[in-house]
Amino acid sequence: DIVMTQSPDSLAVSLGERATINCKSSQSVLYRSNNKNYLSWYQQKPGQPPKLLIYWASTRESGVPDRFSGSGSGTDFTLTISGLQAEDVAVYYCQQYYGSPLTFGGGTKLEIK
Amino acid sequence: EVQLVESGGGLVQPGGSLRLSCAASGFTFSDHYMDWVRQAPGKGLEWVGRARNKANSYIIEYAASVKGRFTISRDDSKNSLYLQMNSLKTEDTAVYYCVRNLYGGNYALDMWGQGTMVTVSS
Repeated sequence: DIVMTQSPDSLAVSLGERATINCKSSQSVLYRSNNKNYLSWYQQKPGQPPKLLIYWASTRESGVPDRFSGSGSGTDFTLTISGLQAEDVAVYYCQQYYGSPLTFGGGTKLEIK
Repeated sequence: EVQLVESGGGLVQPGGSLRLSCAASGFTFSDHYMDWVRQAPGKGLEWVGRARNKANSYIIEYAASVKGRFTISRDDSKNSLYLQMNSLKTEDTAVYYCVRNLYGGNYALDMWGQGTMVTVSS
């Protein structure tokens, strides 16, 4: 199984500042034939289901604010939230869909400092 | 409106069975892979399994933790996904989400139901 490791476990950032969450996979999730990274990011607010933010490591889902961006390739990925807003308080998960079983990172809890 | 609505959760004793259903609407259900993902109270997300679409032979995949105990099925004529859970254990206690794959194959999980709670306890 591909193990997804997120860091940090929790993060406190001031409003308007940048938040950076890291995700590392135990093996590459880059599919060479189409040069796509099978990596997505989700946001989960309390009492709600997860919401897709980013797929193919860097493609923003429709309707997601452009302050959310994803980067990285192979085994190392980053979710960046530029200009943190109060509504961004949530737990963020990375997930690989390169291979079965699909696996998620342990989550990063983002709070306001 | 595009949505997924789960039902069938509840309290069951260890060793018991439960069947979850997911009703899809607002999109062409038959085109999509459909997954079940669960979340134990206060914990992270765990993939349970998947039903591929007709174009991919309706292949079913399972997580090792549920293989042999859980059965996933789909009925495209009813726009529905199912999860039959047998030999339930206390560690199966979780919110179970029905989830759609973006596009028509192995892609990110772009639509999630609100979830249904399953509690396994004596």
